[in-house]
Amino acid sequence: EPEVTQTPSHQVTQMGQEVILRCVPISNHLYFYWYRQILGQKVEFLVSFYNNEISEKSEIFDDQFSVERPDGSNFTLKIRSTKLEDSAMYFCASSIQGMEQFFGPGTRLTVL
Amino acid sequence: DAKTTQPTSMDCAEGRAANLPCNHSTISGNEYVYWYRQIHSQGPQYIIHGLKNNETNEMASLIITEDRKSSTLILPHATLRDTAVYYCIVRTDSNYQLIWGAGTKLIIKP
Repeated sequence: EPEVTQTPSHQVTQMGQEVILRCVPISNHLYFYWYRQILGQKVEFLVSFYNNEISEKSEIFDDQFSVERPDGSNFTLKIRSTKLEDSAMYFCASSIQGMEQFFGPGTRLTVL
Repeated sequence: DAKTTQPTSMDCAEGRAANLPCNHSTISGNEYVYWYRQIHSQGPQYIIHGLKNNETNEMASLIITEDRKSSTLILPHATLRDTAVYYCIVRTDSNYQLIWGAGTKLIIKP
């Protein structure tokens, strides 16, 4: 069964450094999303992406964040200058028609 | 904020049906009811969704009341692997994001 994959599974970085989190969505899906979950808290929406552009973003998704689909298979989330409060699990999801979303296993980001 | 309310936690015996309620009294006519679950430390998993009619798939059944103000997710024969946090989310088909509440922590007991 096709699934969303994410790399790395765990990323440790120093405050102020740039990080890129990678996702490979399910191959025939057209809608892509990033969510995050701070330890012990709710899942929070960051951004959705369709037709090579951002379709919706939350207040969390400020100028420090960007997304890209550099080729036909990858979907990336970049954080330009990480802060301590960016430490969280980051989940990528994809959807074929924007209805049910299928999630990857997540990347645990730890900012020191 | 999430537009649904769910009990904080529930227990169910292994092999029995688990019935998880959700209230969504302010749901609009074009909003769907979605259910996801999150097993500890894993990514959320889609379970089922519906608009007005009851729905069933290989994982679960979704019962939506006639006034659409509440719904129940039914796991017909719960196993220990169904222990997870279950989220009920309402969303229009054109609203991309999922807004997550705290969900119901379902514990399946042997």
